[in-house]
Amino acid sequence: EVQLVESGGGLVQPGGSLRLSCAASGFTFSTFGMNWVRQAPGKGLEWVSYISSGSSNIYYADSVRGRFTISRDNAKNSLFLQMNSLRDEDTAMYYCAREDIWGQGTLVTVSS
Amino acid sequence: DVVMTQSPLSLPVTLGQPASISCRSSQSLVYSDGNTYLNWFQQRPGQSPRRLIYKVSNRDSGVPDRFSGSGSGTDFTLKISRVEAEDVGVYYCMQHTQWPRTFGQGTKVEIK
Repeated sequence: EVQLVESGGGLVQPGGSLRLSCAASGFTFSTFGMNWVRQAPGKGLEWVSYISSGSSNIYYADSVRGRFTISRDNAKNSLFLQMNSLRDEDTAMYYCAREDIWGQGTLVTVSS
Repeated sequence: DVVMTQSPLSLPVTLGQPASISCRSSQSLVYSDGNTYLNWFQQRPGQSPRRLIYKVSNRDSGVPDRFSGSGSGTDFTLKISRVEAEDVGVYYCMQHTQWPRTFGQGTKVEIK
C-alpha cells in the first residue's frame, strides 16, 4: 500500500525551530518529486515547498523562503522540512504529498 | 504568481442532482510541452485532501465516474453528475504549470 506518514509536529514558541519528517512506503520513493503543503486551521491549502527526485530542483513559497529548508534521504525513503524562525502564521497542519498521494498531516502550533 | 479563482465558494446541492464548480486562472495554464497542469482535489471533513482529477480531465484510480473535469487555457470546471452524500466536503483546484504551485480558495459542497 502506498503510504506517507508525517511526524515531528508540535507546539513551539515564535522564533523557534522544528523539523518535520515524512516516511514513505509502498512505492519507489527515489523516483518521485515530493511536496509539503500546509493548511491553517479553518483555511484553504497552501503549497510550501517541492524537491525533485534527486534533490537537484528545489522550490519554496515566498512566505517560507529563507526560513524553511526541504530535503530528502532516498536511502531511507524519507522527506524532511526544517522550519526555523517560526511565526504565529506558520501554525497549520503540514502535509507531505506526492502528486497524487497525501499523508494524514502533522500539526504545527506556533504560540507563546 | 498564478491566481486561481473558484466559484461559487459555497454550493448547496440536492442529493442526486448535478453540481458544477468553476476555476479560473490569471494566466494560461498551458505548459511548453503542450500539457495543462490543472488538478482537482477533494477534502472530506476531517480528512486529508485526495486528488480526483489531473491534467484537466483525467480521473484518478478509484474516483467514481460521476466526477468529470473539463476546460482549457484559463477556464476549468469540475462537474459531479449526481451528488451523493459522500461527496460533501471542500473542493480545490490547483495549478502546477508555473512555480509557485497555487490553489483556489476552495468550494464547500453541502447537502441541502
